[in-house]
Amino acid sequence: SAVISQKPSRDICQRGTSLTIQCQVDSQVTMMFWYRQQPGQSLTLIATANQGSEATYESGFVIDKFPISRPNLTFSTLTVSNMSPEDSSIYLCSVAASGRVTYSYNEQFFGPGTRLTVL
Amino acid sequence: AQSVTQLDSHVSVSEGTPVLLRCNYSSSYSPSLFWYVQHPNKGLQLLLKYTSAATLVKGINGFEAEFKKSETSFHLTKPSAHMSDAAEYFCVVSDRDSNSGYALNFGKGTSLLVTP
Repeated sequence: SAVISQKPSRDICQRGTSLTIQCQVDSQVTMMFWYRQQPGQSLTLIATANQGSEATYESGFVIDKFPISRPNLTFSTLTVSNMSPEDSSIYLCSVAASGRVTYSYNEQFFGPGTRLTVL
Repeated sequence: AQSVTQLDSHVSVSEGTPVLLRCNYSSSYSPSLFWYVQHPNKGLQLLLKYTSAATLVKGINGFEAEFKKSETSFHLTKPSAHMSDAAEYFCVVSDRDSNSGYALNFGKGTSLLVTP
């Protein structure tokens, strides 16, 4: 299984600022995914990030609010822009278990998450 | 879109007794289904997955789940609960109808409490 690390592990931010979250994987993977887990809620997919192309955002999420970078096959960043208290959540990145070949039915491995609190 | 419904938000069992966490799914396709566990302040861990092979799926830590198409269910069971099983459990379905085609749709979770 892939080993995934995220930085920072947690942060407390002021309203109106932005935070960039980093996700590092110990192997090359085709797709990386970013999820949000709001307090007491389940996980929701924000976007899917392919190396070398624009991220694909799910309904309810837009690039201006959650810009994503994917510069290489082991790294991605998610920025939470112009934050409000409603953005307080755990943000998790994940990768498909199959690595370089991704199928829609693959399970995903998840990073430890970044706990964000916006005041 | 594919979705799952976890029928119980909280389940409490005594140590050594059986565990049953219920999940129903909705899918236009033959679904891929998963159970993940999230221990307090820890990351998500895959327990088991179903991808149209055997309908009875065995996972880690003694858990198993049975895919029942006629009942659209994928309930998670364990014969004997251990204190370390206390955690949040998520039933998950892959959603080929998502914008990317690779979304995992999570249920709302079931919190399992194990009492001595």
